[in-house]
Amino acid sequence: QQQVKQSPQSLIVQKGGISIINCAYENTAFDYFPWYQQFPGKGPALLIAIRPDVSEKKEGRFTISFNKSAKQFSLHIMDSQPGDSATYFCAAPDSGGSNYKLTFGKGTLLTVNP
Amino acid sequence: NAGVMQNPRHLVRRRGQEARLRCSPMKGHSHVYWYRQLPEEGLKFMVYLQKENIIDESGMPKERFSAEFPKEGPSILRIQQVVRGDSAAYFCASSPSRTGFGNTIYFGEGSWLTVV
Repeated sequence: QQQVKQSPQSLIVQKGGISIINCAYENTAFDYFPWYQQFPGKGPALLIAIRPDVSEKKEGRFTISFNKSAKQFSLHIMDSQPGDSATYFCAAPDSGGSNYKLTFGKGTLLTVNP
Repeated sequence: NAGVMQNPRHLVRRRGQEARLRCSPMKGHSHVYWYRQLPEEGLKFMVYLQKENIIDESGMPKERFSAEFPKEGPSILRIQQVVRGDSAAYFCASSPSRTGFGNTIYFGEGSWLTVV
């Protein structure tokens, strides 16, 4: 059974600042680590994902950093904007070879002040 | 842009009633997944279905919950004799095939069940 621990629970950042959210997982035999963004009253939307054979992936202002030896991965949001205010979830697959059975962290509520 | 469609978006049921939640996957997707999100919690996997088959129901409560994905029509998550602890957001997701990296699952906007 996969365990995913996400921190912090909430985060307040000023516009233009860097938001950093961290996740730690337990089981190692998986190949897919996504981050989801969820606005109030909406479903989670895939933001960015990484394979464990790379240490970093960047898409626009969003970067995932992956540390396989430490079993940790983090989301960095550069130049944070008020529109980024949402809840962010990290996730890890529960079974190797299939990414449908995701174990989610408990989420980080990000507030970006103007 | 027809994403994963869920209905109803909001549902209120009295204790003991039945709740039926429907999900139509994205066009071209034949795999459906149901997740539940309790207040202040992340999403938890419930069940994975393909047309007419339950592939993995390891996350489903043993009693009162059932799911189906018939040959025709939407997938349905059924909760019988609802209790207050069933109050949650239920999300359906779909994918075009059994997922591997880069072939992720896409979530609908959820059905919020409130049991009074």
